[in-house]
Amino acid sequence: EAQVTQNPRYLITVTGKKLTVTCSQNMNHEYMSWYRQDPGLGLRQIYYSMNVEVTDKGDVPEGYKVSRKEKRNFPLILESPSPNQTSLYFCASASGGPNSPLHFGNGTRLTVT
Amino acid sequence: AQKVTQAQTEISVVEKEDVTLDCVYETRDTTYYLFWYKQPPSGELVFLIRRNSFDEQNEISGRYSWNFQKSTSSFNFTITASQVVDSAVYFCALNHGSGYALNFGKGTSLLVTP
Repeated sequence: EAQVTQNPRYLITVTGKKLTVTCSQNMNHEYMSWYRQDPGLGLRQIYYSMNVEVTDKGDVPEGYKVSRKEKRNFPLILESPSPNQTSLYFCASASGGPNSPLHFGNGTRLTVT
Repeated sequence: AQKVTQAQTEISVVEKEDVTLDCVYETRDTTYYLFWYKQPPSGELVFLIRRNSFDEQNEISGRYSWNFQKSTSSFNFTITASQVVDSAVYFCALNHGSGYALNFGKGTSLLVTP
C-alpha cells in the first residue's frame, strides 16, 4: 500500500531533550516536506526536500533540522525542543511536479513541557 | 508572494443543507495549481481535488463541486446535501508553476449536525 509513515504518533518530551521524528514513503517520490499545524495558523511548512541531499527552508525552519540521505526517508530533528514547538507535525511527499498532490502521513502530536 | 485566504473560520449547517467554502488566492504567476484537502476529526489530511490555472472548467464529483474563477481569484468548494461525515476542516492550497512551494489557507472548520 502506498503510504507515508511517520513515527511516533504521539510524543511527550521535556525542554532541551533532543528528539527525532521519522518519516518514510514507499512511493519513490522525489519531493518531501514537513509541516506543523497549529490552531488558527493552519499548516506551515518547516523544511522541504526536492531530492536526495537537497533540502531547503520553508516558512518556519527555526529550531528544526532535516536530512535526506535516502530518497524514502526524511527525518525531522529537534536538537533542543522548546514549549513553542508543541504542535501537530505532518510529513508529506509528492512525485515532484508542481501539480502533484501531497500525500500526508498520519501526523505526530508533539508536546514539549 | 503567494497567499491563500479562507475567510470562513467555522461553518455550522444542518444535515442536507448545501454549503460553500470560500477560497481566494493571490499570485503573480500565470501558471499555478490549486488544491483542496480535507482533515476529518481523525486528523489525517486527504487530497480532494487539483485544478490548473489554465483549466477553468468546474468539476463535480458526487455531492462535491468546485467553482474556479480566475476573474475573481477564487476556487470555491460546494457540498450539496451535506452529511454528518462531511464534518471536517477543509484546506485550500496554492502552488506556483515551477518548483514546489505549497501555501495553505488557514482552513475552514465545517460542522454538520443531524
